[in-house]
Order: sequence, then C-alpha cells, then structure tokens
Amino acid sequence: GDSVTQMEGPVTLSEEAFLTINCTYTATGYPSLFWYVQYPGEGLQLLLKATKADDKGSNKGFEATYRKETTSFHLEKGSVQVSDSAVYFCALKVMGSGGSNYKLTFGKGTLLTVNP
Amino acid sequence: DGGITQSPKYLFRKEGQNVTLSCEQNLNHDAMYWYRQDPGQGLRLIYYSQIVNDFQKGDIAEGYSVSREKKESFPLTVTSAQKNPTAFYLCASLNSRVALGNTIYFGEGSWLTVV
Repeated sequence: GDSVTQMEGPVTLSEEAFLTINCTYTATGYPSLFWYVQYPGEGLQLLLKATKADDKGSNKGFEATYRKETTSFHLEKGSVQVSDSAVYFCALKVMGSGGSNYKLTFGKGTLLTVNP
Repeated sequence: DGGITQSPKYLFRKEGQNVTLSCEQNLNHDAMYWYRQDPGQGLRLIYYSQIVNDFQKGDIAEGYSVSREKKESFPLTVTSAQKNPTAFYLCASLNSRVALGNTIYFGEGSWLTVV
C-alpha cells in the first residue's frame, strides 16, 4: 500500500539555522507530493507541492524536490524563523481505480520549534 | 471567500451521545474527506466521498457515519459506538476533475472532547 515516512520529531532549532525534514514514500502509482503546515489549533495549510519527478516545489523560503530514484521529498529551508514553529506533514496523492478516486496519505508529522 | 467551514470549533460530548460535525465548502469540489488527528499522530482517514450520494469507508470508519446529500456538505456523525472519540477532526476537499497538481484544502478543524 501507499505510505509516507517522516523523520521523528520534535526538531528544535535556533533562529537562522538550516532546516531539513526528511520524507520518503512508497506508492502503488505515480504520486503527487505535498508538504503541509499546521499551526497550533488550526487546520492544515498547503506549503508546497510537486507533481512529477525532479520538480521543485517552493514557498516562503521552503523547498522540496521530487526525487523518484530515492522516493524522497525532503523539506529544506536555509534560515528558519520563530514564526516557522509548527507541525509539518508530508503527504502523497495517487489516483485509485476508476480514474477519479484520489487517495491521500499523510506522514505522522514533525513538530518544529524555533527559538529566538 | 472560497473555503471550507467546519463547525463547531469545540464540542463536548457525553458518554453514549451521538454528535454531528458540520463541514461545508464553497469551492465546487467533488471530493470531500474526513480525517482524525490524535496528539503526536498523523492524519487517519475516516470517510471520503467522490460524488454526491456516494461515500466510502477509510481506514478507521468504525463508530462513524457520514452523508453526502449535497455537493457542498459532508457532515460527520460520531456515534456512541466510537469508543475513543476525543480528537481533532479535519475536513478536506479536492477538485477531482483536475488530473494533476490539484490541491487538498482543509478546514480549520473541530475539537471533540468526551466528558
């Protein structure tokens, strides 16, 4: 079946440090890949996405590259800020049978805390 | 503005009661989803619906029920059969008519606590 594995958290960094959150996946089809961010007490917001191999998604200084050969979609940011403190979810979406049935699979999430 | 509205934000349930969480979207999306989130856990799929009047069980459907009578609405009922219902519930929707890159949108979530 489909699955997403994220690095275990929590991750604690100082402001302006470099961030990497690893994400690897297994999928039965050709997935689209996503990173979502969840701030305390809120729903999930799309951070970035990539739909095919070698695509790079980017937003708000975050980047992730779709690596089909290593089945990975690692999230990176060169200089984190206190406001980046949140839970980050890696997710994949594949098309199920019938051509319109999309299945969504999420990782367990990684809590990031950035200290001033 | 277009989006997904969940209500109520906070809900308390007594033992043995059924409660219903509302999810409304004005994005004209065909597909809608309900997820459950427990502390330190990822999202687990409860039910999903691809079109009106049709829905399928997800990974943890026991103790839950849904309906999809209108395209914009996908309410979730947490029944008394759900033994551990205290959790954060998230509703999501998707434009399944777009082949690639379509984005999953989430509501703000509903906190359910059993008292």
